[in-house]
Amino acid sequence: DGGITQSPKYLFRKEGQNVTLSCEQNLNHDAMYWYRQDPGQGLRLIYYSQIVNDFQKGDIAEGYSVSREKKESFPLTVTSAQKNPTAFYLCASSIGGNIQYFGAGTRLSVL
Amino acid sequence: GIQVEQSPPDLILQEGANSTLRCNFSDSVNNLQWFHQNPWGQLINLFYIPSGTKQNGRLSATTVATERYSLLYISSSQTTDSGVYFCAPRMDSSYKLIFGSGTRLLVRP
Repeated sequence: DGGITQSPKYLFRKEGQNVTLSCEQNLNHDAMYWYRQDPGQGLRLIYYSQIVNDFQKGDIAEGYSVSREKKESFPLTVTSAQKNPTAFYLCASSIGGNIQYFGAGTRLSVL
Repeated sequence: GIQVEQSPPDLILQEGANSTLRCNFSDSVNNLQWFHQNPWGQLINLFYIPSGTKQNGRLSATTVATERYSLLYISSSQTTDSGVYFCAPRMDSSYKLIFGSGTRLLVRP
Protein backbone atom coordinates (compact mmCIF):
# COMPACT_ATOMS: atom_id res chain seq x y z
CA ASP A 1 0.00 0.00 0.00
CA GLY A 2 1.24 3.48 -0.81
CA GLY A 3 1.56 5.82 2.10
CA ILE A 4 3.60 7.55 4.74
CA THR A 5 5.02 5.52 7.61
CA GLN A 6 6.14 7.12 10.84
CA SER A 7 7.95 5.25 13.57
CA PRO A 8 7.89 4.73 16.41
CA LYS A 9 4.31 5.52 17.46
CA TYR A 10 5.48 6.40 20.99
CA LEU A 11 8.91 7.61 22.07
CA PHE A 12 10.38 8.61 25.40
CA ARG A 13 13.36 10.92 25.76
CA LYS A 14 15.67 11.20 28.74
CA GLU A 15 17.21 14.46 29.83
CA GLY A 16 20.09 15.50 27.54
CA GLN A 17 19.34 12.83 24.96
CA ASN A 18 18.89 13.22 21.21
CA VAL A 19 16.15 11.13 19.63
CA THR A 20 15.34 10.52 15.97
CA LEU A 21 11.86 10.14 14.50
CA SER A 22 11.54 8.23 11.25
CA CYS A 23 9.38 9.20 8.26
CA GLU A 24 9.29 7.11 5.09
CA GLN A 25 7.03 7.54 2.05
CA ASN A 26 6.53 5.38 -1.03
CA LEU A 27 4.31 7.85 -2.89
CA ASN A 28 7.18 9.17 -5.01
CA HIS A 29 6.52 12.64 -3.61
CA ASP A 30 9.32 15.18 -3.93
CA ALA A 31 8.42 17.36 -0.93
CA MET A 32 8.34 16.29 2.71
CA TYR A 33 7.47 18.13 5.93
CA TRP A 34 7.64 17.86 9.71
CA TYR A 35 4.99 19.45 11.92
CA ARG A 36 4.60 19.69 15.67
CA GLN A 37 1.21 19.66 17.44
CA ASP A 38 0.77 20.65 21.08
CA PRO A 39 -2.44 19.68 22.96
CA GLY A 40 -5.45 21.65 21.81
CA GLN A 41 -3.48 23.46 19.13
CA GLY A 42 -3.04 23.42 15.40
CA LEU A 43 0.06 22.16 13.61
CA ARG A 44 3.23 24.22 13.31
CA LEU A 45 5.90 23.63 10.68
CA ILE A 46 9.36 22.57 11.90
CA TYR A 47 11.25 21.83 8.66
CA TYR A 48 10.42 21.04 5.08
CA SER A 49 12.30 19.71 2.08
CA GLN A 50 11.37 20.33 -1.55
CA ILE A 51 14.05 18.10 -3.07
CA VAL A 52 16.72 15.62 -2.00
CA ASN A 53 19.73 17.14 -0.21
CA ASP A 54 17.90 20.40 0.43
CA PHE A 55 15.68 21.56 3.30
CA GLN A 56 14.42 24.79 4.84
CA LYS A 57 13.56 25.87 8.35
CA GLY A 58 9.93 26.29 9.23
CA ASP A 59 8.48 28.44 12.00
CA ILE A 60 9.85 26.48 14.99
CA ALA A 61 13.14 24.88 13.85
CA GLU A 62 15.21 25.63 16.96
CA GLY A 63 16.28 22.44 18.76
CA TYR A 64 15.54 20.21 15.76
CA SER A 65 17.60 18.91 12.84
CA VAL A 66 16.74 16.99 9.66
CA SER A 67 18.40 15.32 6.70
CA ARG A 68 17.15 14.39 3.23
CA GLU A 69 19.60 11.95 1.70
CA LYS A 70 16.93 9.89 -0.08
CA LYS A 71 13.69 10.92 -1.72
CA GLU A 72 11.72 8.44 0.40
CA SER A 73 13.10 9.40 3.80
CA PHE A 74 13.06 12.55 5.95
CA PRO A 75 14.17 11.78 9.55
CA LEU A 76 13.77 14.36 12.31
CA THR A 77 16.18 14.56 15.25
CA VAL A 78 14.97 16.21 18.43
CA THR A 79 18.15 17.45 20.07
CA SER A 80 18.88 18.12 23.73
CA ALA A 81 18.65 21.82 22.88
CA GLN A 82 14.87 21.43 22.49
CA LYS A 83 13.79 22.15 26.06
CA ASN A 84 10.12 21.34 25.63
CA PRO A 85 9.98 18.37 23.24
CA THR A 86 6.78 16.75 24.53
CA ALA A 87 4.34 16.90 21.60
CA PHE A 88 2.75 14.99 18.74
CA TYR A 89 4.94 15.00 15.63
CA LEU A 90 3.45 14.59 12.16
CA CYS A 91 5.23 14.01 8.88
CA ALA A 92 3.69 14.86 5.52
CA SER A 93 4.57 14.68 1.85
CA SER A 94 3.34 16.22 -1.39
CA ILE A 95 4.00 16.57 -5.08
CA GLY A 96 5.32 20.08 -5.31
CA GLY A 97 3.09 22.48 -3.42
CA ASN A 98 -0.04 20.42 -3.96
CA ILE A 99 -2.07 18.27 -1.58
CA GLN A 100 -0.19 17.27 1.57
CA TYR A 101 -0.75 13.76 2.94
CA PHE A 102 0.06 12.91 6.53
CA GLY A 103 1.45 9.96 8.43
CA ALA A 104 -0.07 8.62 11.65
CA GLY A 105 2.30 10.56 13.91
CA THR A 106 4.75 9.95 16.75
CA ARG A 107 4.00 10.94 20.34
CA LEU A 108 7.15 12.07 22.14
CA SER A 109 7.31 12.37 25.91
CA VAL A 110 10.09 13.29 28.32
CA LEU A 111 11.02 10.88 31.13
CA GLY B 1 2.55 36.13 8.39
CA ILE B 2 -0.86 34.91 7.40
CA GLN B 3 -3.40 34.52 10.22
CA VAL B 4 -6.00 31.75 10.18
CA GLU B 5 -9.09 31.88 12.38
CA GLN B 6 -11.57 29.04 12.70
CA SER B 7 -15.02 29.23 14.22
CA PRO B 8 -16.67 28.03 16.28
CA PRO B 9 -13.85 26.63 18.45
CA ASP B 10 -16.16 23.97 19.92
CA LEU B 11 -19.39 22.48 18.64
CA ILE B 12 -21.72 19.86 20.08
CA LEU B 13 -24.37 18.33 17.82
CA GLN B 14 -27.05 15.74 18.11
CA GLU B 15 -26.70 12.95 15.56
CA GLY B 16 -28.48 13.90 12.35
CA ALA B 17 -27.97 17.65 12.71
CA ASN B 18 -26.27 19.86 10.12
CA SER B 19 -23.43 22.29 10.77
CA THR B 20 -21.21 24.90 9.12
CA LEU B 21 -17.59 25.47 10.09
CA ARG B 22 -15.86 28.67 9.04
CA CYS B 23 -12.23 29.49 8.23
CA ASN B 24 -11.08 33.11 7.76
CA PHE B 25 -7.59 33.94 6.53
CA SER B 26 -5.80 37.26 6.43
CA ASP B 27 -3.92 37.13 3.13
CA SER B 28 -4.29 35.83 -0.41
CA VAL B 29 -3.74 32.09 -0.68
CA ASN B 30 -2.78 29.69 -3.42
CA ASN B 31 -4.76 26.76 -2.14
CA LEU B 32 -6.51 25.48 0.96
CA GLN B 33 -6.99 22.07 2.54
CA TRP B 34 -9.58 20.88 5.06
CA PHE B 35 -8.64 18.01 7.39
CA HIS B 36 -10.39 15.87 9.96
CA GLN B 37 -8.21 14.74 12.87
CA ASN B 38 -9.66 11.58 14.40
CA PRO B 39 -9.34 10.67 18.10
CA TRP B 40 -6.10 8.75 17.37
CA GLY B 41 -4.50 11.83 15.88
CA GLN B 42 -4.58 10.81 12.23
CA LEU B 43 -5.11 13.73 9.86
CA ILE B 44 -7.49 12.78 7.07
CA ASN B 45 -7.72 14.87 3.91
CA LEU B 46 -11.25 16.10 3.29
CA PHE B 47 -10.88 18.71 0.57
CA TYR B 48 -8.28 20.50 -1.51
CA ILE B 49 -10.20 23.60 -2.45
CA PRO B 50 -8.44 26.80 -3.56
CA SER B 51 -11.74 28.21 -4.82
CA GLY B 52 -15.28 27.19 -5.65
CA THR B 53 -17.37 24.40 -4.17
CA LYS B 54 -16.76 20.68 -3.85
CA GLN B 55 -18.90 17.90 -2.44
CA ASN B 56 -18.02 14.48 -1.09
CA GLY B 57 -20.98 12.57 0.30
CA ARG B 58 -22.36 14.36 3.36
CA LEU B 59 -19.54 16.89 3.32
CA SER B 60 -19.09 19.89 1.11
CA ALA B 61 -16.75 22.87 1.11
CA THR B 62 -16.75 26.32 -0.41
CA THR B 63 -13.82 28.70 -0.68
CA VAL B 64 -14.25 32.36 -1.66
CA ALA B 65 -10.63 33.36 -2.09
CA THR B 66 -11.39 37.00 -2.96
CA GLU B 67 -13.20 37.41 0.38
CA ARG B 68 -10.65 35.27 2.26
CA TYR B 69 -12.83 32.59 3.78
CA SER B 70 -13.76 28.96 3.42
CA LEU B 71 -16.73 27.00 4.76
CA LEU B 72 -17.11 23.30 5.54
CA TYR B 73 -20.63 21.91 5.64
CA ILE B 74 -21.48 18.68 7.44
CA SER B 75 -24.96 17.34 6.83
CA SER B 76 -26.77 14.56 8.73
CA SER B 77 -23.90 14.31 11.21
CA GLN B 78 -22.84 10.94 12.61
CA THR B 79 -20.92 10.06 15.77
CA THR B 80 -17.93 9.13 13.59
CA ASP B 81 -17.73 12.77 12.48
CA SER B 82 -16.47 13.68 15.97
CA GLY B 83 -12.93 15.02 16.15
CA VAL B 84 -11.11 18.20 15.23
CA TYR B 85 -11.50 19.92 11.88
CA PHE B 86 -8.63 22.03 10.58
CA CYS B 87 -8.38 24.35 7.65
CA ALA B 88 -4.91 25.03 6.28
CA PRO B 89 -4.35 27.58 3.54
CA ARG B 90 -1.12 27.79 1.62
CA MET B 91 0.30 31.18 0.74
CA ASP B 92 1.35 32.14 -2.75
CA SER B 93 4.83 30.91 -3.76
CA SER B 94 5.21 28.81 -0.64
CA TYR B 95 4.95 25.12 0.15
CA LYS B 96 3.89 25.85 3.73
CA LEU B 97 0.43 25.10 5.06
CA ILE B 98 -0.71 27.45 7.82
CA PHE B 99 -3.03 25.71 10.28
CA GLY B 100 -5.81 27.29 12.28
CA SER B 101 -6.53 26.16 15.86
CA GLY B 102 -9.34 23.92 14.69
CA THR B 103 -13.00 23.31 15.48
CA ARG B 104 -13.61 20.53 17.99
CA LEU B 105 -16.80 18.67 17.07
CA LEU B 106 -18.64 16.23 19.28
CA VAL B 107 -21.62 14.41 17.79
CA ARG B 108 -23.85 12.76 20.40
CA PRO B 109 -25.97 9.69 19.61
